[in-house]
Amino acid sequence: TQLLEQSPQFLSIQEGENLTVYCNSSSVFSSLQWYRQEPGEGPVLLVTVVTGGEVKKLKRLTFQFGDARKDSSLHITAAQTGDTGLYLCADGDTGNQFYFGTGTSLTVIP
Amino acid sequence: SAVISQKPSRDICQRGTSLTIQCQVDSQVTMMFWYRQQPGQSLTLIATANQGSEATYESGFVIDKFPISRPNLTFSTLTVSNMSPEDSSIYLCSVDPPGGNTIYFGEGSWLTVV
Repeated sequence: TQLLEQSPQFLSIQEGENLTVYCNSSSVFSSLQWYRQEPGEGPVLLVTVVTGGEVKKLKRLTFQFGDARKDSSLHITAAQTGDTGLYLCADGDTGNQFYFGTGTSLTVIP
Repeated sequence: SAVISQKPSRDICQRGTSLTIQCQVDSQVTMMFWYRQQPGQSLTLIATANQGSEATYESGFVIDKFPISRPNLTFSTLTVSNMSPEDSSIYLCSVDPPGGNTIYFGEGSWLTVV
């Protein structure tokens, strides 16, 4: 079973600050997804990256996939209170079974 | 995409009882997945449910404890049997619609065992 480690585990920042969270895998990703989960809801897909070195931007969120496809980062610029939530990376392996990372719990303080 | 409905959304259960969670999808999907999310933690895959065959369980999860049904391509149930406080978790149903490598989640069923 693949191990997906995320760091940091917890992050509390002031509104307007920038932050980066990381996802590292023990093996090469088939494809990598980032999800955000708000309290009381299921995870919601933010982005999918497939190609090593790929960079995707979603408004204030920038996702980067490592060249070796074993790591990824999510950078948020000028964080807002609405960014608060649990951020999860996931790998969809060839069996269509999605394994999730350990998660980063982000709190943005007004 | 897919719209997934889970019932119940929340329940408080007595130790030793069993509870069945229902998952309904608005389109036909081949594979449905059941996850557990313990408080403050990430998601752990319990099993994969395919229509017409027995569910495939991940290491640490067994059919006697978490029996799953998949009677058709839009519906599945997960039963949490003989519950103990350690089973207090959010249980999430998810699907992987054809044509993509993305899964979609229901809103989850939050179980508290007392």
